[in-house]
Amino acid sequence: QQQVKQSPQSLIVQKGGISIINCAYENTAFDYFPWYQQFPGKGPALLIAIRPDVSEKKEGRFTISFNKSAKQFSLHIMDSQPGDSATYFCAAGTYYGGSQGNLIFGKGTKLSVKP
Amino acid sequence: EPEVTQTPSHQVTQMGQEVILRCVPISNHLYFYWYRQILGQKVEFLVSFYNNEISEKSEIFDDQFSVERPDGSNFTLKIRSTKLEDSAMYFCASSEAPGGTGELFFGEGSRLTVL
Repeated sequence: QQQVKQSPQSLIVQKGGISIINCAYENTAFDYFPWYQQFPGKGPALLIAIRPDVSEKKEGRFTISFNKSAKQFSLHIMDSQPGDSATYFCAAGTYYGGSQGNLIFGKGTKLSVKP
Repeated sequence: EPEVTQTPSHQVTQMGQEVILRCVPISNHLYFYWYRQILGQKVEFLVSFYNNEISEKSEIFDDQFSVERPDGSNFTLKIRSTKLEDSAMYFCASSEAPGGTGELFFGEGSRLTVL
């Protein structure tokens, strides 16, 4: 119930291509779905987040698509660049109620963007 | 830009020894967290802390672990008697009170190696 399943485990994309990472959750109480980007030796950094009242959120080249009925959400990176090469984690949590920090993370996707 | 700072960046200890990991959260944040990441695996929630008490803790956060905010700026994680399986990267994070963005800001982590 508390798991967040993320795929693929690793992804290689050519520069300029689209990177797509998928996540699925089970707990319908989750109402906050962030994506974190982690470079080697660094802590995770928030990239973009969505709440279930919208089906899509776009920030620059990064878009989250959210399907509430399927309990799935995905990250799309348009025009992928070598600088996007990092590990991406999806997560889920409850935004309100004082426990928004108890995030359940997916296992991560290592993205490599080839020049 | 405000940031979460953690010390030490790397600590090597013998099994059975006590370890204290230190964090300075962002100054106007009121929620504090510890997460850990075993090498190559997902980020896992350990504990959240608010108003000088634990808000939530995971199954990982057993009696060997404790947290403390000894003064107005530091937030510490103590592992009383380290085990080999405690070897991981430990991340401190902080966020604003409810009503803020809810974004977790992570530090760069403290790598703990237990021999």
